[in-house]
Amino acid sequence: DADVTQTPRNRITKTGKRIMLECSQTKGHDRMYWYRQDPGLGLQLIYYSFDVKDINKGEISDGYSVSRQAQAKFSLSLESAIPNQTALYFCATSDLEGGTDTQYFGPGTRLTVL
Amino acid sequence: GQQLNQSPQSMFIQEGEDVSMNCTSSSIFNTWLWYKQDPGEGPVLLIALYKAGELTSNGRLTAQFGITRKDSFLNISASIPSDVGIYFCAGQLVSTGANSKLTFGKGITLSVRP
Repeated sequence: DADVTQTPRNRITKTGKRIMLECSQTKGHDRMYWYRQDPGLGLQLIYYSFDVKDINKGEISDGYSVSRQAQAKFSLSLESAIPNQTALYFCATSDLEGGTDTQYFGPGTRLTVL
Repeated sequence: GQQLNQSPQSMFIQEGEDVSMNCTSSSIFNTWLWYKQDPGEGPVLLIALYKAGELTSNGRLTAQFGITRKDSFLNISASIPSDVGIYFCAGQLVSTGANSKLTFGKGITLSVRP
């Protein structure tokens, strides 16, 4: 079984709809991250959480919100989806072992907003 | 903020050729990581480097932590079709303590012609 799972893997929705992307991990890591990937722009950090009570904005948090329901679960919401939020979304986890933030990524969710 | 530069955005090589990629920054990092993203999947860690000057291999891949601590290099020898993908570098400034996290480059897309 995969250590970091994301659901759904693909989603097509319409402008204005509320969307939730979910991430679960079995690695026991405290840290979880949400990234967005667009062609040529690399991985842009949306939100991150260093433990269950900690939530931090990343570079591009506008239009997004998150919820850390448990150590193992970190959800990303788009309250009112717009077409320029069409992208590939990745969740990642890490535990700062040895002081290094080695991140392990999920398989991604491809979101299309029409 | 810290930025990592990877260029060019795309590289095209012939099967069997060697290829070298570099990653540079104006900031000093204490850790360098290289990830590969296969088409349709999340990034996967290839190599981690922890000391200036360190040279580490993983099969046909060799990575080096630059002496200045502001750059890192990844070499792929005798390329094969499955080397196709996006290669990301990531750096971490460990001295920022418990809030330290990775900074990612924008990635280089590698294409291998049979």
